[in-house]
Amino acid sequence: DAGVTQSPTHLIKTRGQQVTLRCSPKSGHDTVSWYQQALGQGPQFIFQYYEEEERQRGNFPDRFSGHQFPNYSSELNVNALLLGDSALYLCASSFRSGRLQETQYFGPGTRLLVL
Amino acid sequence: KNQVEQSPQSLIILEGKNCTLQCNYTVSPFSNLRWYKQDTGRGPVSLTIMTFSENTKSNGRYTATLDADTKQSSLHITASQLSDSASYICVVKGVNFGNEKLTFGTGTRLTIIP
Repeated sequence: DAGVTQSPTHLIKTRGQQVTLRCSPKSGHDTVSWYQQALGQGPQFIFQYYEEEERQRGNFPDRFSGHQFPNYSSELNVNALLLGDSALYLCASSFRSGRLQETQYFGPGTRLLVL
Repeated sequence: KNQVEQSPQSLIILEGKNCTLQCNYTVSPFSNLRWYKQDTGRGPVSLTIMTFSENTKSNGRYTATLDADTKQSSLHITASQLSDSASYICVVKGVNFGNEKLTFGTGTRLTIIP
């Protein structure tokens, strides 16, 4: 049983470029959340997808957008990259039972460096 | 504002020694509190989860405590091993108008030296 997988593992971009990160949830999970973790900081919630819709969103600008596919996998897109977007981007999946969300399992993350 | 504060920020101990990490939170209403272990450059892995009615939970050499009245939690690590070197993150789940929200602490960086 594969856990949460993310791709790519590392990425280097320049300011102004756009990036797409991908996440495949753990088998049986239907909810995907994305987090940004700067060096030495705790993860910051970006948004969560369930039933192919953005359900919750943290304090991130519209440059951050996402998508969830029918197979529950998800993408995180960041436009007009800034140096401050350099971070570890974590994807977490869980199973939503009604309004309750069960345990989140994290992927290994994608390390993004913006030069 | 919902906050989760952890202390100490970093800790260095000798292999075999015990240590205790602290987590104070202001999240309300409270749903549960979870401790995660995060190795450098990797995703967090859940160690324990505690709800309002639980005040102690163990997972091997890890024992978490929760005092919901004072909104404090601790993670005690017994007989530390080199592989315990990691960041330990306290995460509190709150519920607001039916929406669940996780608030992450900034973590305690633990280093075990031989």
